[in-house]
Amino acid sequence: QVQLVQSGAEVKKPGSSVKVSCKASGGTFSSYAISWVRQAPGQGLEWMGGIIPIFGTANYAQKFQGRVTITADKSTSTAYMELSSLRSEDTAVYYCAAGKIFGPFDYWGQGTLVTVSS
Amino acid sequence: EIVLTQSPGTLSLSPGERATLSCRASQSVSSSYLAWYQQKPGQAPRLLIYGASSRATGIPDRFSGSGSGTDFTLTISRLEPEDFAVYYCQQYGSSPPKGTFGPGTKVDIK
Repeated sequence: QVQLVQSGAEVKKPGSSVKVSCKASGGTFSSYAISWVRQAPGQGLEWMGGIIPIFGTANYAQKFQGRVTITADKSTSTAYMELSSLRSEDTAVYYCAAGKIFGPFDYWGQGTLVTVSS
Repeated sequence: EIVLTQSPGTLSLSPGERATLSCRASQSVSSSYLAWYQQKPGQAPRLLIYGASSRATGIPDRFSGSGSGTDFTLTISRLEPEDFAVYYCQQYGSSPPKGTFGPGTKVDIK
């Protein structure tokens, strides 16, 4: 059973960047695919991008291309999502999710609230 | 890029009733890489159905999925109090991963 533990809530200024971490335990980190999904207040789920740690190649939703970077550190079983040029519309709960390669998102982190405010 | 549409937006039903939720894709979803998730307020989503019709581990058999191509359905045979939540469909199944979600259907108590 994979467990995903995310870093804590963040408050950021517009124009700055945020980096959220997602540490996995209980499974073989490198063999999973890790995705990042966000949810703005009262809104639905929005897939941002994903990575397969064993390959290191990331895939991003077109909406976030150029503004998001997803990485993974196999040595610490931790994935990261960095979002730059933050604006108020980026205020959301950010989730990491894991599943088998080509599979659905079986496991989810607890979510990290990122608030963008001046 | 595939776009998923869910209907209805909100479904108001009573406990014990049957719920039928629809998910339509803008183009065919290959190999039935279609999943359903349940989300309750303040919680992360939970995987219910994958491969259009396979229940995830620990999911009660009152939840069932069906469909192929562009039209998919999630059915809850008899609603339990804990089933009132928002349900999302998702297209997945690529490497590196992708995971487009539908806008969700809220099932609330009538």
